[in-house]
Amino acid sequence: EVQLVESGGGLVQPGGSLRLSCSASGFTFTTYTMHWIRQAPGKGLEYVSAIHSNGINTYYADSVKGRFTISRDNSKNTLYLQMSSLRTEDSAVYYCVKVAVLDSYWYFDLWGRGTLVTVSS
Amino acid sequence: DIVMTQSPDSLAVSLGERATINCKSSQSVFSSVNNKNSLAWYQQKPGQPPKLLIYWASTRESGVPDRFSGSGSGTDFTLTISNLQTEDVAVYYCQQHYTTRLTFGGGTKVEIK
Repeated sequence: EVQLVESGGGLVQPGGSLRLSCSASGFTFTTYTMHWIRQAPGKGLEYVSAIHSNGINTYYADSVKGRFTISRDNSKNTLYLQMSSLRTEDSAVYYCVKVAVLDSYWYFDLWGRGTLVTVSS
Repeated sequence: DIVMTQSPDSLAVSLGERATINCKSSQSVFSSVNNKNSLAWYQQKPGQPPKLLIYWASTRESGVPDRFSGSGSGTDFTLTISNLQTEDVAVYYCQQHYTTRLTFGGGTKVEIK
């Protein structure tokens, strides 16, 4: 089955850290750019970060640059998001997302069910 | 960043009628490289992740009912749901992928009147 399954969300205090994981199956993970997109409760979608299939080229939204690090382990078909210096405004459901066409054209045909991150004291 | 503005924020449509959602980008998302508009539409039902409906502004994703159609070019785009069904109740988002600094519209909530 083609799917993405996120894990690692939870409650963390402001200034804390958390690492999200996304396990991919059913497609050739190693050939697709992968993304994290988040959605605050009751709000819209916000792009967070992306990583090329080569694991080298990475992209970040200004709101998370310098605090979040995206990575992937192609041998494990797994995507990661290391989040540090967390703020209350980082509270959201974080979706792991696959682009539709290899490393090109960033529209998304596969979304995980998301993992909830709550930043609160 | 390219700002995507959707309108209306919400709309209520009778079953079987047409729903029209607009999306305007702050700059053109038309690529002269491939002569395509880098604009996608997603549907998000409560408690679910978004689902791709339309890409390249007007190409329907496999498995999406043909009552969903996309149109427009440059900066102005439209998602039309013809013959609205109860299962179409959802929030709809547009997204530009013209630049790597991806942006989404604020969403349009579609309900049954």
